[in-house]
Amino acid sequence: AIQMTQSPSSLSASVGDRVTITCRASQDIRNDLGWYQQKRGKAPELLIYGASGLQSGVPSRFSGSGSGTDFTLTISSLQPEDFATYYCLQNYNYPRTFGQGTKVEI
Amino acid sequence: EVQLVEFGGGLVIPGGSLRLSCVVSGFTLPTSSMYWVRQALGRGLEWVASISSSGKYIYYADSVRGRFTISRDIAKNSLYLQMNSLTDEDTGVYFCAKGDWLDPWGQGTQVTVSS
Repeated sequence: AIQMTQSPSSLSASVGDRVTITCRASQDIRNDLGWYQQKRGKAPELLIYGASGLQSGVPSRFSGSGSGTDFTLTISSLQPEDFATYYCLQNYNYPRTFGQGTKVEI
Repeated sequence: EVQLVEFGGGLVIPGGSLRLSCVVSGFTLPTSSMYWVRQALGRGLEWVASISSSGKYIYYADSVRGRFTISRDIAKNSLYLQMNSLTDEDTGVYFCAKGDWLDPWGQGTQVTVSS
């Protein structure tokens, strides 16, 4: 199974900060990577698909980059509603695997 | 508007069974792959099972293969997860999600396995 290693596991940031979360795959997954945001007690929501495609309705301060094994989610200017946990997911093959999550805290 | 609503969670004793349902609207099941994902309390997301848009291809996580069965009823716009031989490791919130990019997700249904 492909291992997805996310870092950091948590971070503290302030409103307006630029935040970067990384996800590394244990093998080449092309650009078959998605990023999800999950707020406490809620279902996850898709932010980025295909490593860099912005999902409809998602603010432009979110962006994704990378291909192969190394991927990045960037929040250009952190907003109060962005405090949440973020996960990457590879859909290159089965079994599908998620990163362990990054909790973004104040 | 695409919506997914899960039903069927609850408290079950170890070794017991439960069937989860996910009723969808705003699209038809033959047009999309469907997924089940679970999350233990305070833990990360774990993919459980998937069914292709044709229904021909089905995949399971090693942790549930042989115990869980994913299926669908097109006429009822419903996706199912039959869970047998449950253990406390299966406790968590179970989500259904649409498509290979898992968008959108249902609100989740709680499954608790405990004596």
